[in-house]
Amino acid sequence: NAGVTQTPKFRVLKTGQSMTLLCAQDMNHEYMYWYRQDPGMGLRLIHYSVGEGTTAKGEVPDGYNVSRLKKQNFLLGLESAAPSQTSVYFCASSDLPGSGANYGYTFGSGTRLTVV
Amino acid sequence: KNEVEQSPQNLTAQEGEFITINCSYSVGISALHWLQQHPGGGIVSLFMLSSGKKKHGRLIATINIQEKHSSLHITASHPRDSAVYICAVSSYGNKLVFGAGTILRVKS
Repeated sequence: NAGVTQTPKFRVLKTGQSMTLLCAQDMNHEYMYWYRQDPGMGLRLIHYSVGEGTTAKGEVPDGYNVSRLKKQNFLLGLESAAPSQTSVYFCASSDLPGSGANYGYTFGSGTRLTVV
Repeated sequence: KNEVEQSPQNLTAQEGEFITINCSYSVGISALHWLQQHPGGGIVSLFMLSSGKKKHGRLIATINIQEKHSSLHITASHPRDSAVYICAVSSYGNKLVFGAGTILRVKS
């Protein structure tokens, strides 16, 4: 089982460049999330989606955009990268709460992004 | 005050010791999660709890909803258990709010 796959795993960007991080899950989960992890700050929610075609802002959405055109994919875009966006990005997916299934989370392996 | 507080922040144990990591939260939740992250590694979900107790191998997680408190226990600890253990709570939209993590080092 692939679970949650993130690409790329590493990337170095120059300030002002744009890029898209791709997250794909094969578990038919409705909910998908993008988190960033920074030293001393822990994990924080950037954006999330409760189903195909829906997106919502999390705790730290500024500078990022997302799209969920297909249920299995959740894309995170940086339109104009800034050094403050240097971080490790994790995608995750989960079942619908209360569905009776195990709605624990499955995380991707992370993307280490450096903006110089 | 953070919504999710973990203690201790750092923990060093000798191989074979019984380990407890605590988590307190201050908000209404639908579930509490325990996660594990090895250095430079990904995040693995260990448990998702809404009540009572769960056990998986040497790991045990408990939750007291009334007291808004959860504990993660590791029995017969081993150096491979060395990792960061993160408590997180979920509410609307199943979004997670994370604790700061507990850095565990188990020495042989």
